Amino acid sequence: GIQVEQSPPDLILQEGANSTLRCNFSDSVNNLQWFHQNPWGQLINLFYIPSGTKQNGRLSATTVATERYSLLYISSSQTTDSGVYFCAVDRDQGGKLIFGQGTELSVKP
Amino acid sequence: GAVVSQHPSWVICKSGTSVKIECRSLDFQATTMFWYRQFPKQSLMLMATSNEGSKATYEQGVEKDKFLINHASLTLSTLTVTSAHPEDSSFYICSATEGGATNEKLFFGSGTQLSVL
Repeated sequence: GIQVEQSPPDLILQEGANSTLRCNFSDSVNNLQWFHQNPWGQLINLFYIPSGTKQNGRLSATTVATERYSLLYISSSQTTDSGVYFCAVDRDQGGKLIFGQGTELSVKP
Repeated sequence: GAVVSQHPSWVICKSGTSVKIECRSLDFQATTMFWYRQFPKQSLMLMATSNEGSKATYEQGVEKDKFLINHASLTLSTLTVTSAHPEDSSFYICSATEGGATNEKLFFGSGTQLSVL
């Protein structure tokens, strides 16, 4: 099956700093999404981004499908950005997502 | 956006009892629902896919007799953990889609923390 690897596994930032999270996947996919899981467990869909670049406020994401990776950029980080960021892929848009191991982000005031 | 409601948010039960978790799509018809399990500090692992009116499809290694899934209507899927044991303690999350060509219409519930004593 498809392997999804995220890096770094943990990240500690000072408030206001920028960061880049990476997601590598082992095979062609038709879908890639980035999620933020808050401390209460709720998954928040950040980006649906099988290819290209999207921006939403302080967050942006880029997927280079031909090279099998995606990047999530967080600028001017805030304490509320803390939590776990997951990258998830699937082959056929059927909704069966394969999740990476996540990056646990801690933003300190 | 669309809302998926999951209940209960947390449940504590004694070993050997059964626990039912509900996943409801509140403002759309969910043709397909998915159940995931997440152990502490780990990723989400897909357990099964349920389609309304048909039997669920389970991922390899998931015991279908232990994790009973029912998708009786287009707005409700239930996961029943039968004869729960401490090793079943985990965070269970559902997702639902109303179909379509992309995963942009895929929504997650808020999860259920199950603790088996």
